[in-house]
Amino acid sequence: GAGVSQSPSNKVTEKGKDVELRCDPISGHTALYWYRQSLGQGLEFLIYFQGNSAPDKSGLPSDRFSAERTGGSVSTLTIQRTQQEDSAVYLCASTPEPSETQYFGPGTRLLVL
Amino acid sequence: GQNIDQPTEMTATEGAIVQINCTYQTSGFNGLFWYQQHAGEAPTFLSYNVLDGLEEKGRFSSFLSRSKGYSYLLLKELQMKDSASYLCAVMDSNYQLIWGAGTKLIIKP
Repeated sequence: GAGVSQSPSNKVTEKGKDVELRCDPISGHTALYWYRQSLGQGLEFLIYFQGNSAPDKSGLPSDRFSAERTGGSVSTLTIQRTQQEDSAVYLCASTPEPSETQYFGPGTRLLVL
Repeated sequence: GQNIDQPTEMTATEGAIVQINCTYQTSGFNGLFWYQQHAGEAPTFLSYNVLDGLEEKGRFSSFLSRSKGYSYLLLKELQMKDSASYLCAVMDSNYQLIWGAGTKLIIKP
């Protein structure tokens, strides 16, 4: 596609529910990143996929968070048993190679009530 | 540990020049990026420096000194649309981006 796309753009959920966030990277980009950004804060790294290598999960804040990338393209970030502190903007970025510029999607704004 | 420091907020006047500084301490260095982020939007790429010196791109320039762990973003002929947050990020030895918290730039008429 022309750019990184993410869905949904906004998600409101109740505490304790599970949510799935989707990211479609730019076609041909081998590396995909998930970040979290709380209001007025910088970007917090969550997880990184590169080709067929095992993902770097070092940034996931708890075992309630997981992500997968199917066929080296689309990625899904799942948050189980959501908590209010999970409320943030979840950004996805992709890049042709890890050493190159990251291009961001518009983000998913998650609000946990 | 890894650390990126930049001012929290700056104010400048339309038409003027502003310099946003960034200092870093990271495990390895594979380049420094500046991104612009308007409120409620995703970050967009502005510049990349991997060698010492100044990179100029229109009204925006970015400078890097690797020995000092220092970079700045220079914005000239400021326009109201330049009001945004400016994020400094360093790529470490694992090709991971380490992000600063961002500098909120307020442009006044």
